[in-house]
Amino acid sequence: QVQLVQSGAEVKKPGASVKVSCKASGFTFTPYTMHWVRQAPGQRLEWMGWINAGNGNTSYSQNFQGRVTITRDTSTTTAYMELSRLRSEDTGVYYCARVRAGYSSGWYVYWGQGTLVTVSS
Amino acid sequence: DIVMTQSPDSLAVSLGERATINCKSSQSVLYSSNNKNYLAWYQQKAGQPPKLIIYWASTREFGVPDRFSGSGSGTDFTLTISNLQAEDVAVYFCQQYSSTLPTTFGQGTKVEIK
Repeated sequence: QVQLVQSGAEVKKPGASVKVSCKASGFTFTPYTMHWVRQAPGQRLEWMGWINAGNGNTSYSQNFQGRVTITRDTSTTTAYMELSRLRSEDTGVYYCARVRAGYSSGWYVYWGQGTLVTVSS
Repeated sequence: DIVMTQSPDSLAVSLGERATINCKSSQSVLYSSNNKNYLAWYQQKAGQPPKLIIYWASTREFGVPDRFSGSGSGTDFTLTISNLQAEDVAVYFCQQYSSTLPTTFGQGTKVEIK
């Protein structure tokens, strides 16, 4: 069955970077685009960006431009999201999610379990 | 970006009654290329990721009970939960997934039992 398993919770200081992983299994990785979505406390879900697992093309939200980098490793079928220059407002749960094969956008059937990132001095 | 606004922010409904949640987009999400509304609904329970309920505004995801239904077109959409059950207590979000603009979500509507 399709699974997206994310790395564990992180605590970071302001100004640091965090890298969250999303291990995909149960499906062929490369036909899909993997997205990252953030849920900050009391805030709506916020799209951060995506990566085409096949060709590595990426697209990022302007809200995170310059601070977010999404990569993937096809040999381990893992997607990564790195967020730099962290600030307290970046505290939240970060999800990876998958859209339909062959599409870069759409609805999300499959989600990771979420990774809590806490930014605190 | 397209702004999604849900109403109400919360509602309390008696078991077996109907819950109605509205979602309004700042611009139409109906695309003439395929005459489809690029609108989805999710259910999120505490400590869990969102669960897809509806896509294309009215297509129920596989395995979702038929008491959940979606309607609307253009900029105004509705999620209806008929015959509310205890397990339906959750926060519900709408999402537009335009192929040309960033995907965005509504702020969420909390459904509780009265």
